Amino acid sequence: AQKVTQAQTEISVVEKEDVTLDCVYETRDTTYYLFWYKQPPSGELVFLIRRNSFDEQNEISGRYSWNFQKSTSSFNFTITASQVVDSAVYFCALMIWSGGGADGLTFGKGTHLIIQP
Amino acid sequence: NAGVTQTPKFRILKIGQSMTLQCTQDMNHNYMYWYRQDPGMGLKLIYYSVGAGITDKGEVPNGYNVSRSTTEDFPLRLELAAPSQTSVYFCASTDRAYEQYFGPGTRLTVT
Repeated sequence: AQKVTQAQTEISVVEKEDVTLDCVYETRDTTYYLFWYKQPPSGELVFLIRRNSFDEQNEISGRYSWNFQKSTSSFNFTITASQVVDSAVYFCALMIWSGGGADGLTFGKGTHLIIQP
Repeated sequence: NAGVTQTPKFRILKIGQSMTLQCTQDMNHNYMYWYRQDPGMGLKLIYYSVGAGITDKGEVPNGYNVSRSTTEDFPLRLELAAPSQTSVYFCASTDRAYEQYFGPGTRLTVT
């Protein structure tokens, strides 16, 4: 069975600080995908990034960056120079792509990020 | 292109009532999913479908039923609603292991 752990329940930082959200996953499958989603107070789920298990390159998108390390089964997310608009709940998720199709996402419990002005 | 649409947005049910949550996607995706999100928790998979006529249970299927008669629609049926089914329900679709497109959610309260 798959599992995603986001150990940080809530993080509070002051605007412009850098912040890293941790994600650790467990799976015995060799082909899988990792995702990050943002859920603002309005409640919708906003896709941020997808990574497959064969691509360990780190990725940067503006103020966002992701560090994928298979050796430690981690897929951490860093926001540089945080802004108040970054305040949200962030979910890390795992999908196993088995031979018959996709079995859905396994989500972590989420990290509530509060950016104080 | 509306993406994934869900109706209703909000609903209050009495214990023992039944209802159907509607989900429609216009992206011709084969894969569709239903998740529930309890307060302070991540989403959990209820049911999924890999194509019309094919459905399978996820992690928390008890108390729910689904059907998939067309590619576009994937309704979720609650029979005999219970307070434990108070949650936010999200429908999603995907065409492979790419981004899962989520609907806006249905907030359901059972009292």
